[in-house]
Amino acid sequence: QQQVKQSPQSLIVQKGGISIINCAYENTAFDYFPWYQQFPGKGPALLIAIRPDVSEKKEGRFTISFNKSAKQFSLHIMDSQPGDSATYFCAASIETSGSRLTFGEGTQLTVNP
Amino acid sequence: GAVVSQHPSRVICKSGTSVKIECRSLDFQATTMFWYRQFPKQSLMLMATSNEGSKATYEQGVEKDKFLINHASLTLSTLTVTSAHPEDSSFYICSAKRAQGNTEAFFGQGTRLTVV
Repeated sequence: QQQVKQSPQSLIVQKGGISIINCAYENTAFDYFPWYQQFPGKGPALLIAIRPDVSEKKEGRFTISFNKSAKQFSLHIMDSQPGDSATYFCAASIETSGSRLTFGEGTQLTVNP
Repeated sequence: GAVVSQHPSRVICKSGTSVKIECRSLDFQATTMFWYRQFPKQSLMLMATSNEGSKATYEQGVEKDKFLINHASLTLSTLTVTSAHPEDSSFYICSAKRAQGNTEAFFGQGTRLTVV
């Protein structure tokens, strides 16, 4: 059972545009929602994370929007750059249960120059 | 951020042999380490959770006798793929969580295993 669903599977954006990736979860016990960036042949790196007590978190060009009632959260990449081209994964975990991460399916982002 | 080092980054082995992958937390103590498997263009699938000084907890469908995990110290966990077969070829990634503090898990750079 896929507990975190991610869309779209792939995304092509022009340089300077906004990249938006969406995730939906089922388990209401999840209380930590990170986004990871992965380049080919490398491990994932944490981009930004949010907890359900806030609806938005911004760090530089990256923003997470969180909708607790809809059980959805999204990643917005402002002023997208070719160097942002990578695969992005959303994830969710329950902090009190050892923080096992459940990952979304991933989104392959391509930012064209 | 904290550093997790995984070794080797690439390994090719013959079918039937065993391969050991190391995961080290370089600048922090990790009571919990996680091992993932990732097929091309797919997501990370958790294989097992490794706690220092105790037996690993394997996810459903993961053969514990095939994927041996040892977490003997607060900075080192190892994954041994025993009697490897071509279908075990994959990208294996570890992550480590601080002994105390926040929830963030830090990932290693991954190990590309090819079984020929």
